[in-house]
Amino acid sequence: EAQVTQNPRYLITVTGKKLTVTCSQNMNHEYMSWYRQDPGLGLRQIYYSMNVEVTDKGDVPEGYKVSRKEKRNFPLILESPSPNQTSLYFCASSLFSGASAYEQYFGPGTRLTVT
Amino acid sequence: QQQVKQSPQSLIVQKGGISIINCAYENTAFDYFPWYQQFPGKGPALLIAIRPDVSEKKEGRFTISFNKSAKQFSLHIMDSQPGDSATYFCAASVRGAQKLVFGQGTRLTINP
Repeated sequence: EAQVTQNPRYLITVTGKKLTVTCSQNMNHEYMSWYRQDPGLGLRQIYYSMNVEVTDKGDVPEGYKVSRKEKRNFPLILESPSPNQTSLYFCASSLFSGASAYEQYFGPGTRLTVT
Repeated sequence: QQQVKQSPQSLIVQKGGISIINCAYENTAFDYFPWYQQFPGKGPALLIAIRPDVSEKKEGRFTISFNKSAKQFSLHIMDSQPGDSATYFCAASVRGAQKLVFGQGTRLTINP
């Protein structure tokens, strides 16, 4: 089954404790992206990757890191989480050619609470 | 800076009625306009999408209307059903960039 998986689905942590949210896709997609969803703000892009070892900042990258060492995985790292990073996080993937727009497939989400 | 503005934030429609959600954009370089549907506890999923070379696209009960000169597009759900209750996001992207800019979302409730 074609899918994007995220782990964990729910996470409660404390300020300053480093955490990683994993994302994996089995569709051989080049493009992967992280979004955060907040009420009234929609989905905002944090970071994206167009292929292995190619990553770039989205609209709200502060406080986050990513890496793309393998095509299927795109982990999101919070080195020192703060309460304003409490949010619902989604990983997404899609084909990428630079010539067209493709459907993005979203994972089930990770609800993060930072106290 | 919200490049895609979506309204209303919430909408309640009776079963069988027409649900209408509107979006407006600023960037004239946008050339792909998808709508995503999100059920509680799930990730968004592509519902329907349109490019600016057509003014309307219909898939079943779902229709996108696009007005390029006004820089507006809307989603119409005909014969709305309780199973359509979800949050809907409009989005836009520039050709080849793959980056989606999302609207704020509309929580749609269809009353039986």
